[in-house]
Amino acid sequence: DVKVTQSSRYLVKRTGEKVFLECVQDMDHENMFWYRQDPGLGLRLIYFSYDVKMKEKGDIPEGYSVSREKKERFSLILESASTNQTSMYLCASSLGAGYTEAFFGQGTRLTVV
Amino acid sequence: DAKTTQPPSMDCAEGRAANLPCNHSTISGNEYVYWYRQIHSQGPQYIIHGLKNNETNEMASLIITEDRKSSTLILPHATLRDTAVYYCIVREVGDDKIIFGKGTRLHILP
Repeated sequence: DVKVTQSSRYLVKRTGEKVFLECVQDMDHENMFWYRQDPGLGLRLIYFSYDVKMKEKGDIPEGYSVSREKKERFSLILESASTNQTSMYLCASSLGAGYTEAFFGQGTRLTVV
Repeated sequence: DAKTTQPPSMDCAEGRAANLPCNHSTISGNEYVYWYRQIHSQGPQYIIHGLKNNETNEMASLIITEDRKSSTLILPHATLRDTAVYYCIVREVGDDKIIFGKGTRLHILP
């Protein structure tokens, strides 16, 4: 079974801190994604990566950056965390090509205080 | 922007078939219809996808109308564990991005 693992289930950080959310997949997938999920707003795509060192902005990239140095690992970086980035963050991966299924991690609930 | 319209919520009695509709009136010829669901406190889970033929797997059936402007996800014998938010997604072949809409919150009633 494909496994997408997010490094933390719950995280509390202070305003202004630099925050790293890590995601690892074990199936040699080409594509990896970061979403955030907020009540009433659903799942929104922040960034996705279709290859090592390749990335593309999603719908809400402001305030975030990403890093993909190795195929299996995709990191989401909050350069200076703010309270409006308190959210559930979900990582996903897919094999590649537009019609394959995506596999999601369990999510990281980030609270910025 | 999501290219689909779904009712915000639905109820279904346990043991009955749950039929979840999705409207995708602007779908183009090379776009697939995907369904995912998200059980509370978990990441979304892929259910099924199709292009124009009806599809069935161990989880569900997908019925796509002949004009492809709408589809229905059918859970044949709903259980309490099927309580979740169900997302219908239209996605073009070669487009790696997955854009979620608001989905349908399905409540299975005992």
